[in-house]
Amino acid sequence: DVKVTQSSRYLVKRTGEKVFLECVQDMDHENMFWYRQDPGLGLRLIYFSYDVKMKEKGDIPEGYSVSREKKERFSLILESASTNQTSMYLCASSLDRGLNTEAFFGQGTRLTVV
Amino acid sequence: KQEVTQIPAALSVPEGENLVLNCSFTDSAIYNLQWFRQDPGKGLTSLLLIQSSQREQTSGRLNASLDKSSGRSTLYIAASQPGDSATYLCAVSWNNDMRFGAGTRLTVKP
Repeated sequence: DVKVTQSSRYLVKRTGEKVFLECVQDMDHENMFWYRQDPGLGLRLIYFSYDVKMKEKGDIPEGYSVSREKKERFSLILESASTNQTSMYLCASSLDRGLNTEAFFGQGTRLTVV
Repeated sequence: KQEVTQIPAALSVPEGENLVLNCSFTDSAIYNLQWFRQDPGKGLTSLLLIQSSQREQTSGRLNASLDKSSGRSTLYIAASQPGDSATYLCAVSWNNDMRFGAGTRLTVKP
């Protein structure tokens, strides 16, 4: 079974802190995604990556950056956390762009910024 | 802009009823469409994947159909059970990215 693992289930951080959310997949998938999920807004795409060191902005990249130094790991970085970044963050991976492949999700990280 | 819409936003049915959830999307040039289930406070579990060349997929009591030309997909759940209560999300892939509808929150009452 494909496994997508997010490093933390719950996080509480202070305003202004630099925050790292880590995501690891174990199936050699090319594509990886970061979403945030908020009540009434659904899942919104922050960034995605289709290869090592490659990244593309999604719909709401402001205030975030990403890093993909290794194929299996995709990190979401909040350079200076703010209270409006309190949310559920979900990571996903899929095999390859251009192919009709299934996406798999991690368990989510609920981040609270105080 | 490519968008995904799901209706209804919430649905409550008695146990045993058959039901249909709807998903529509704005651009028919999709790679695939995937239905997910999400339980409260949890991640997403994949239910069915329909490739762009397919018209439907079935898994147990679930059947998903795809009509690319009209930009629609339906998820049919037969003989619903209380354990089916969850939020159901439709996700559409265009090119490299994947976008979601807001979901349908389903409650199946015993």
